[in-house]
Amino acid sequence: DIQMTQSPSTLSASVGDRVTITCRASQSINIWLAWYQQKPGKAPKLLIYKASSLESGVPSRFSGSGSGTEFTLTISSLQPDDFATYYCQQYNSYRTFGQGTKVEIK
Amino acid sequence: EVQLVESGGGLVQPGGSLRLSCAASGFTFSSYWMSWVRQAPGKGLEWVANIKQDGSEKYYVASVKGRFTISRDNAKNSLFLQMNSLRGEDTAVYYCARPLGDGSYFDYWGQGTLVTVSS
Repeated sequence: DIQMTQSPSTLSASVGDRVTITCRASQSINIWLAWYQQKPGKAPKLLIYKASSLESGVPSRFSGSGSGTEFTLTISSLQPDDFATYYCQQYNSYRTFGQGTKVEIK
Repeated sequence: EVQLVESGGGLVQPGGSLRLSCAASGFTFSSYWMSWVRQAPGKGLEWVANIKQDGSEKYYVASVKGRFTISRDNAKNSLFLQMNSLRGEDTAVYYCARPLGDGSYFDYWGQGTLVTVSS
């Protein structure tokens, strides 16, 4: 099974900050990676697929990069609505998720 | 507008059974693979099962194989998850989700239904 490891687990930031979350795969997954945002009590929302493709309707301050085993999600200027938990998910072989990164207010 | 609405969750004793349902609308249900994904309280996401458009292929995470069965009724635009021999570690919010293909990401999710396994 492919394991996905996110870092950090928790991130404290302020509105306007540039934020970067890292996701590492235990083996190469090419570009078959997605990112989701989840708010408390809500379903996850797709942000990025195929490592760097922005889902329709998602603000352009969100971007994804990487290939192989290392990937990043970047929020260029953190907005109040962005405080949430973010998950990566590989779909190269079945589907596994990272453990999540909580972005909280500093 | 794509909508996925789960139902059927609740409190069940260890060893018991429960059947979850997901009503789909706003898209051609019979043209898509469908999935169940779960999230234990305060924990991360875990893919549970997938089913092909015509129900001919089904895949499960190892921890539920032999206990859970995914099925669908394309005439009623409905997805199901029959859960037997439930354990405490099956306690979670169960989401119905639409993947783009068999091995893919999920572009739409339901609001989830909570299953609690406890005596």
